[in-house]
Amino acid sequence: DQQVKQNSPSLSVQEGRISILNCDYTNSMFDYFLWYKKYPAEGPTFLISISSIKDKNEDGRFTVFLNKSAKHLSLHIVPSQPGDSAVYFCAARAGGGADGLTFGKGTHLIIQP
Amino acid sequence: DSGVTQTPKHLITATGQRVTLRCSPRSGDLSVYWYQQSLDQGLQFLIQYYNGEERAKGNILERFSAQQFPDLHSELNLSSLELGDSALYFCASSHPGQGARPFFGQGTRLTVV
Repeated sequence: DQQVKQNSPSLSVQEGRISILNCDYTNSMFDYFLWYKKYPAEGPTFLISISSIKDKNEDGRFTVFLNKSAKHLSLHIVPSQPGDSAVYFCAARAGGGADGLTFGKGTHLIIQP
Repeated sequence: DSGVTQTPKHLITATGQRVTLRCSPRSGDLSVYWYQQSLDQGLQFLIQYYNGEERAKGNILERFSAQQFPDLHSELNLSSLELGDSALYFCASSHPGQGARPFFGQGTRLTVV
């Protein structure tokens, strides 16, 4: 049973426009959420995170929104740039930071010129 | 460069064999995590060690084992290998104060033939 779901395997966005990547989760014990970016032949790279006590966190062009009642989070990238083309993974953690992260299957973002 | 080093980068072996994957965490990080990424799958958490002790266990098969040594490097041992064990294996590490933000190595691509 997938506890973290990224329902869009791929997303194509024009350069300069907004990219919105979505993630849903089922485990109400998750209290911390992260987004990782992955290029081919490299390991995932941390992008941005959000605690369950917040509903928004912003870092430059990247903003993550959390809707706890809907068990939904989204990553907004504005404006999208060619270097943003990568696979984006949503991840979640339950309780205290001691446990491993639960990852979604990823969304392949393609930025078109 | 995340500071997490994994060796080897690529490994090809036959079914039934045993292999050892190695991970050197970032300087100062006490936690080491192992993840498996199979084709079209997200990253599956296998196991976590903290300062030499097993801390959390995920979907790790009984044929797989891991350990963390006094110098904090970690090894993942995979035995009686099957074709389905072919995957990318990632190691990640984190500092006690940043437990929710693991940094990933570049991975070991294991191919079982």
